[in-house]
Amino acid sequence: DAGVIQSPRHEVTEMGQEVTLRCKPISGHNSLFWYRQTMMRGLELLIYFNNNVPIDDSGMPEDRFSAKMPNASFSTLKIQPSEPRDSAVYFCASSFLGVGQPQHFGDGTRLSIL
Amino acid sequence: QQQVKQSPQSLIVQKGGISIINCAYENTAFDYFPWYQQFPGKGPALLIAIRPDVSEKKEGRFTISFNKSAKQFSLHIMDSQPGDSATYFCAAMSPGNTPLVFGKGTRLSVIA
Repeated sequence: DAGVIQSPRHEVTEMGQEVTLRCKPISGHNSLFWYRQTMMRGLELLIYFNNNVPIDDSGMPEDRFSAKMPNASFSTLKIQPSEPRDSAVYFCASSFLGVGQPQHFGDGTRLSIL
Repeated sequence: QQQVKQSPQSLIVQKGGISIINCAYENTAFDYFPWYQQFPGKGPALLIAIRPDVSEKKEGRFTISFNKSAKQFSLHIMDSQPGDSATYFCAAMSPGNTPLVFGKGTRLSVIA
């Protein structure tokens, strides 16, 4: 079975540029999560969707960050304009709705903003 | 977000030894407690999980111990192997369609 697919795996760009991270969840899953991982702050939940609807975006650090889920098989996380402090590994995860449903993570996008 | 506190931050264990990672939580509404394992360059993957109606769950060399009154749970890795070297995250979830709350992670190194 295909897992959660994230692209690109690595992104290096200059400060001020727009960055778009992409995620394809596991087919049939109806919850999708975006996380950011840094050494200092660990795994932070940025936003999550249930049935393609954003439920909680309180973890999105600033208005520079936005996320969309136009359909059940695709989501994007956009940073515009990007800043060096946005450098981190960004993970997408998906699951079925409900307690006890394991989240399946992609292998992440390592983002470096110069 | 309710916090899950995890310790230690890092752990070095001899091959064949027991690795123990601890987590504590405050929200008594949590009713699902998974542990995730993450290797470098990979996303976290579910390792083992427990519900509060049992005090222990074992899967192979991995055991979760759960103390509801103390609001603590721990992961024990028996006969630790170099291949177990990874970062381990505890997490907790409330009923309803709420997301997992993760601990900050423990970097485990198993040395021969």
